Amino acid sequence: KQEVTQIPAALSVPEGENLVLNCSFTDSAIYNLQWFRQDPGKGLTSLLLIQSSQREQTSGRLNASLDKSSGRSTLYIAASQPGDSATYLCAVRPQNSGYSTLTFGKGTMLLVSP
Amino acid sequence: GAGVSQSPSNKVTEKGKDVELRCDPISGHTALYWYRQSLGQGLEFLIYFQGNSAPDKSGLPSDRFSAERTGGSVSTLTIQRTQQEDSAVYLCASSFSTGRGGNTIYFGEGSWLTVV
Repeated sequence: KQEVTQIPAALSVPEGENLVLNCSFTDSAIYNLQWFRQDPGKGLTSLLLIQSSQREQTSGRLNASLDKSSGRSTLYIAASQPGDSATYLCAVRPQNSGYSTLTFGKGTMLLVSP
Repeated sequence: GAGVSQSPSNKVTEKGKDVELRCDPISGHTALYWYRQSLGQGLEFLIYFQGNSAPDKSGLPSDRFSAERTGGSVSTLTIQRTQQEDSAVYLCASSFSTGRGGNTIYFGEGSWLTVV
């Protein structure tokens, strides 16, 4: 059974710092990996989608990498801002469960202080 | 619509009552998902619809839970005889047809259910 782990569970940084969030998964047989952010009391907002054949994706100050063979992904946030404060979730689409399910980690709660 | 729309946004119900949660996916999206997020827990898959195919109901926690999708668009998640452990945020998501590469999945704001 695919399991997704995110480390750290919580992170507090001052504004302007670059930071890395980690995601690991136990089964490398995945179709893709997606990073989301969730603000308190809100739904999930998709940030980046990396297909299994890709190594990284970039969007603005965000860069996500994928090392499928080692079961790892990182989300790099450059020059963090207070507006980046949220919970960040990674999810994989396992190959052995068809197309239907995403398996989520429990998230990293990020606080960027001014 | 511009995004995935869910209603109600908040629902407080008495134990034992039935509740219906509605999801209106992004126009043109053939895949629709329901997830549940309990306090301090990760997202739990409930059910998946893809076009006219039979839904994947493998995540439904009990036979009190059911869902349907009418006309390939709007979906309703029904919880019968609600229990306190059903209290959670119920999140709906949609995407274009899933293929080997997969597509970006877009989530609604969720329906916050509290069973008292």
